[in-house]
Amino acid sequence: EDQVTQSPEALRLQEGESSSLNCSYTVSGLRGLFWYRQDPGKGPEFLFTLYSAGEEKEKERLKATLTKKESFLHITAPKPADSATYLCAVRLVDSGYALNFGKGTSLLVTP
Amino acid sequence: DAGVIQSPRHEVTEMGQEVTLRCKPISGHDYLFWYRQTMMRGLELLIYFNNNVPIDDSGMPEDRFSAKMPNASFSTLKIQPSEPRDSAVYFCASTKGLRGVGSNQPQHFGDGTRLSIL
Repeated sequence: EDQVTQSPEALRLQEGESSSLNCSYTVSGLRGLFWYRQDPGKGPEFLFTLYSAGEEKEKERLKATLTKKESFLHITAPKPADSATYLCAVRLVDSGYALNFGKGTSLLVTP
Repeated sequence: DAGVIQSPRHEVTEMGQEVTLRCKPISGHDYLFWYRQTMMRGLELLIYFNNNVPIDDSGMPEDRFSAKMPNASFSTLKIQPSEPRDSAVYFCASTKGLRGVGSNQPQHFGDGTRLSIL
């Protein structure tokens, strides 16, 4: 059973159409939850770290939130440049510096 | 600043051959990670090092895989002998370990090596 589940697997939006991506985790002892963006042929690029329930972080059109068992990445008025795969990962108290990644959400924003 | 540098970017080889992937972490980073990414399994941690010492190799699939970090600026991941199911994109990442507040420093990834075993 996957410890980190992302949904939907793929999402297609019109430019300007806001939406949210979900990352849920079944593990306990969360030390941190990370969001990354990955473009084709590139490595994941860091976006946000969230530490505790209720925390929010923002960067341009992206806002990440965290509850006890899930995180949301809200995309407001997306542009085609936001098209990418978005990955979330969890770091656990008893796993040192290891990150456990979800399989990602592939986002396509059309003009 | 230079990011994590991986080489080669692409590798195509025949089953049974030895494959060596290389990584140069960001200067000053004391943690180095090797990941494998496939469509089926996503991004999986294989092994990570702290100060050149392997800390957790529980993700290494089998004895055909080995990783070394002879110094703070270089690491290798070897597969010998290689098999078609090893085909994947292999990423290296590094980070600076801190204690207490700010200990969740993000991992910075290279652009990966796309490995194809025929």
